[in-house]
Amino acid sequence: KNEVEQSPQNLTAQEGEFITINCSYSVGISALHWLQQHPGGGIVSLFMLSSGKKKHGRLIATINIQEKHSSLHITASHPRDSAVYICAAPYNNNDMRFGAGTRLTVKP
Amino acid sequence: GAVVSQHPSWVICKSGTSVKIECRSLDFQATTMFWYRQFPKQSLMLMATSNEGSKATYEQGVEKDKFLINHASLTLSTLTVTSAHPEDSSFYICSASRGGTQPQHFGDGTRLSIL
Repeated sequence: KNEVEQSPQNLTAQEGEFITINCSYSVGISALHWLQQHPGGGIVSLFMLSSGKKKHGRLIATINIQEKHSSLHITASHPRDSAVYICAAPYNNNDMRFGAGTRLTVKP
Repeated sequence: GAVVSQHPSWVICKSGTSVKIECRSLDFQATTMFWYRQFPKQSLMLMATSNEGSKATYEQGVEKDKFLINHASLTLSTLTVTSAHPEDSSFYICSASRGGTQPQHFGDGTRLSIL
């Protein structure tokens, strides 16, 4: 069993829809990362959060440390949001465990 | 802030040649740098962790003589794929961290194609 599980694996949405991507992890961590990988491969760090909720523009990330679960939400989705979203849980010394990613396609 | 530059972004070369990929932290001192490999439609796999001035720590199954990592300064780490073969074709991504529990900042990646 993968230590970091993401769902769904693939997600297609219409422009404007509210998107939710889920991440569950099986190890104790102090924080969790959400990353965005563009079609060209480059990775952007969206959030690092250890509790509660963070918001940046149309992106919202929540985490429940007790339940070992995090969600990434995108409000008013847009085709430019199409990318692979990856959650990552750092072990000690910054050793990261990555989820398999969620491939999001937002259609106009 | 926290910009990581990776170069080159794309390289195509013949089998048997060695390829060097650079990872630079442009605006911060990276005590620790990480090298990842990603196969199509798969997640990132950590290859090795390097701390400035010391030998890299390789993950199980990664040949250290094949993938030479140098982290000679706080702003530069290099990955050299020696005597590359078609099976080494992959997407290689570096990240850099100030160390400890500081977040990793990712480079844009290098797509390596070996003919």
